[in-house]
Amino acid sequence: ILNVEQSPQSLHVQEGDSTNFTCSFPSSNFYALHWYRWETAKSPEALFVMTLNGDEKKKGRISATLNTKEGYSYLYIKGSQPEDSATYLCAVHGGYNKLIFGAGTRLAVHP
Amino acid sequence: DAGVIQSPRHEVTEMGQEVTLRCKPISGHDYLFWYRQTMMRGLELLIYFNNNVPIDDSGMPEDRFSAKMPNASFSTLKIQPSEPRDSAVYFCASTPGQGASGANVLTFGAGSRLTVL
Repeated sequence: ILNVEQSPQSLHVQEGDSTNFTCSFPSSNFYALHWYRWETAKSPEALFVMTLNGDEKKKGRISATLNTKEGYSYLYIKGSQPEDSATYLCAVHGGYNKLIFGAGTRLAVHP
Repeated sequence: DAGVIQSPRHEVTEMGQEVTLRCKPISGHDYLFWYRQTMMRGLELLIYFNNNVPIDDSGMPEDRFSAKMPNASFSTLKIQPSEPRDSAVYFCASTPGQGASGANVLTFGAGSRLTVL
């Protein structure tokens, strides 16, 4: 069973702070890792997909890295803004065409 | 395209009643997934279909849950009989297909919030 773990479970930061969180997964049978952003009362929306060891992706102030050999990915947010408040979900594709999600990191950015 | 469409958005029912949740995937997407979101377990994969055929239903909690996809544009998730512990948000998602790379993202519907009293 593919187990995807995210930490921390929740995070409170002040506006302007930079922050990062972690997604851990088994390094065997790895195909791809997805990051999704999930705002309250909305549906998850894709941020990044990474497939290769060493991949780095960036979208505005948000970036992500991938280490498939040790089984982790980091998501970074530079200069957090209140509108970044959301749950950030990591999902791993370990074969058989299904994505397994972690429990998410709930980020709250305070003005 | 209007995206993945789910109905109803909210459902409140009494224990023992049958519940049917519906999903219309994005046209051309070959894969459809049903997820359940709870506080305890986060997003759990219940079942997924490829070209209308159920591929993996190992996440379906018990026999009270069933899912069908009679055609490429419609799927249902049925709970019969419903129980209070089934209360959750149920998401449907679709994708063109993961293939060998797993690089195609899921597009989620807005979810159906189920409350079983």
